[in-house]
Amino acid sequence: NAGVMQNPRHLVRRRGQEARLRCSPMKGHSHVYWYRQLPEEGLKFMVYLQKENIIDESGMPKERFSAEFPKEGPSILRIQQVVRGDSAAYFCASSPPFGPGQYFGPGTRLTVT
Amino acid sequence: DQQVKQNSPSLSVQEGRISILNCDYTNSMFDYFLWYKKYPAEGPTFLISISSIKDKNEDGRFTVFLNKSAKHLSLHIVPSQPGDSAVYFCAASTNSGGSNYKLTFGKGTLLTVNP
Repeated sequence: NAGVMQNPRHLVRRRGQEARLRCSPMKGHSHVYWYRQLPEEGLKFMVYLQKENIIDESGMPKERFSAEFPKEGPSILRIQQVVRGDSAAYFCASSPPFGPGQYFGPGTRLTVT
Repeated sequence: DQQVKQNSPSLSVQEGRISILNCDYTNSMFDYFLWYKKYPAEGPTFLISISSIKDKNEDGRFTVFLNKSAKHLSLHIVPSQPGDSAVYFCAASTNSGGSNYKLTFGKGTLLTVNP
């Protein structure tokens, strides 16, 4: 886990509010993956980004969810108008340009009240 | 449709004995398999991986075996230690030639190693 930073670690939002989750990849890594873990489930792929590009968003819900990885700064996962079903742990992983190895951050635990 | 299955939600072993965690997959396009260990309130930590061109990979106390014909892999930990107590996730990826190695995870197996 060393090097991949996520913040905040815990986030509480009321229904209808927006949630912004941040991920700073390991130094030298330019690829970021976002995964979501619902209670009692495994991690589920959401989106894969490279700097300034969304490469694969096949796991993202069609509405309310968006992701970006700007040229400067962290990757952001944004959830608009949160609902209780969005409560989960959201993990970011980074990887170097080649190879399947992914290194995970500590996660952000989102609670929607 | 669960493409990666870990059918044992939990496993309990005695310290010093072997722990064997199992994983089955259905997608024959998977060509790389990984095991992650996860403690509560932390992110998954990479343990060991294996490419589909191999049938065994070993790293210290950890060995992963892959049986492609059965679409089955297992993680052996020997000897098991109390610090190994955690949730273990099996994950798989397929690479179609680009850089996308998105992982498909199983639901995890909670390993408890008793002193």
